[in-house]
Amino acid sequence: DAGVTQSPTHLIKTRGQQVTLRCSPKSGHDTVSWYQQALGQGPQFIFQYYEEEERQRGNFPDRFSGHQFPNYSSELNVNALLLGDSALYLCASSLGPAGRQETQYFGPGTRLLVL
Amino acid sequence: GDSVTQMEGPVTLSEEAFLTINCTYTATGYPSLFWYVQYPGEGLQLLLKATKADDKGSNKGFEATYRKETTSFHLEKGSVQVSDSAVYFCALRLGTGTASKLTFGTGTRLQVTL
Repeated sequence: DAGVTQSPTHLIKTRGQQVTLRCSPKSGHDTVSWYQQALGQGPQFIFQYYEEEERQRGNFPDRFSGHQFPNYSSELNVNALLLGDSALYLCASSLGPAGRQETQYFGPGTRLLVL
Repeated sequence: GDSVTQMEGPVTLSEEAFLTINCTYTATGYPSLFWYVQYPGEGLQLLLKATKADDKGSNKGFEATYRKETTSFHLEKGSVQVSDSAVYFCALRLGTGTASKLTFGTGTRLQVTL
């Protein structure tokens, strides 16, 4: 049973560029959440997708956007990158309101470095 | 707003020592509480959880009890091993289903030596 997978594992970009990160949820899961983990900090919630819609959003600017596909996989897009966007980006999947199992399972993350 | 406060690290222990990592929370409702563990270079793994007051979560020798009266969820283990060295995150979740973001503490690094 495949867990949550993310790609790429590492990424280097320069300021002002745009980046797309990808996530495939755990088999059977339909809800995807994205978190940003700065070095030495706990993860911060970016947003959550269910049924291809953004359902909840944390305190992140509009430069951060996302998408969920019919197969439940998801993308996180960040425009106009800033040095402060350097972080580990974590994807978590869970089963939405139709199921009882709401524990979020995390992927290994994508480490983004902005130069 | 909702928040989680964890004890500062790093915590350094000898193998077989007793572990306590303190966690307290502030929440407007009745949250579910979680401990996640992050090994070097990896994502987060769920260690244990509790969904209501007085529940005890346990896994791999770790345990934590949801104390509503002290708004705490301290992590304990009776005898740590070198392989327990990692960063431990306490987290809360309010709401269910699609309104269920996790709010994390800043993490506590545990180092266990022989």
